Amino acid sequence: ETGVTQTPRHLVMGMTNKKSLKCEQHLGHNAMYWYKQSAKKPLELMFVYNFKEQTENNSVPSRFSPECPNSSHLFLHLHTLQPEDSALYLCASSQAGRAGGPEQYFGPGTRLTVT
Amino acid sequence: AQTVTQSQPEMSVQEAETVTLSCTYDTSESDYYLFWYKQPPSRQMILVIRQEAYKQQNATENRFSVNFQKAAKSFSLKISDSQLGDAAMYFCAYRRVVAGNTPLVFGKGTRLSVIA
Repeated sequence: ETGVTQTPRHLVMGMTNKKSLKCEQHLGHNAMYWYKQSAKKPLELMFVYNFKEQTENNSVPSRFSPECPNSSHLFLHLHTLQPEDSALYLCASSQAGRAGGPEQYFGPGTRLTVT
Repeated sequence: AQTVTQSQPEMSVQEAETVTLSCTYDTSESDYYLFWYKQPPSRQMILVIRQEAYKQQNATENRFSVNFQKAAKSFSLKISDSQLGDAAMYFCAYRRVVAGNTPLVFGKGTRLSVIA
C-alpha cells in the first residue's frame, strides 16, 4: 500500500450504531488530520494530531471520537450519529515543521450515510 | 481568521482550450503557502500545484500554472490545453507558516467540466 489509505470506503449506519473509520499513512509523516466534506460546503477540519498528540479539535461534537495510537494510524470512532453527519470523511497526513513539505496528502475518503 | 473564497461554483471549458479558476484569500500573515487541489469524481484529492508566498515567480506544473498576486490576495489557476481528465472539483487552499504544524483552510471549490 502506498500513500494514505482509508477503510471502509463506504459505510451505512443507523443512529444507534457504533462504528469506526480507519486511516493509515505510508509516507513517514508525523501529522494526521480528519476532515468532513459535505455537499456545497468547504472542507471542515475536525481534528489534528501531531506526533500522536491531538493539537486541534475544531468544536466537533463528542459523538465523534478520534484516536491516534501511533504516527501512522488514525481512527475516528462514531456513535449515536445524526443524519446530518452523513458526509465524506477524509483523512490526510503531512510532515509537521518547516523541514517537511507544507502540503497534505489525502486518502480516498469514507462515504458515510447515517439512516 | 483566514478565509479562502472561490467565487465560481461551476466552470466549463472545451477540450484543448484554456480555463482560469479564481481564488481570493484573506490573511494578515506575510508568510504562507497556497495550493490548488483536484478531486475527480469518486476519486482521491490530489495536489495540483503549490505556491510559497515569499516567491514572486508564479508556480508552473506542466499544463497548470498560477497567477499569484500577493497584494491583491489573489491566486488563480490556469489550465492550458484542457483534457477530459481535468474534469473535477478544484479546491484552493491556504496554509500559514508558523513553528509546528498548521492545518489547511479550503475554499468551497469550483466544479470544472470539460466538453469534448
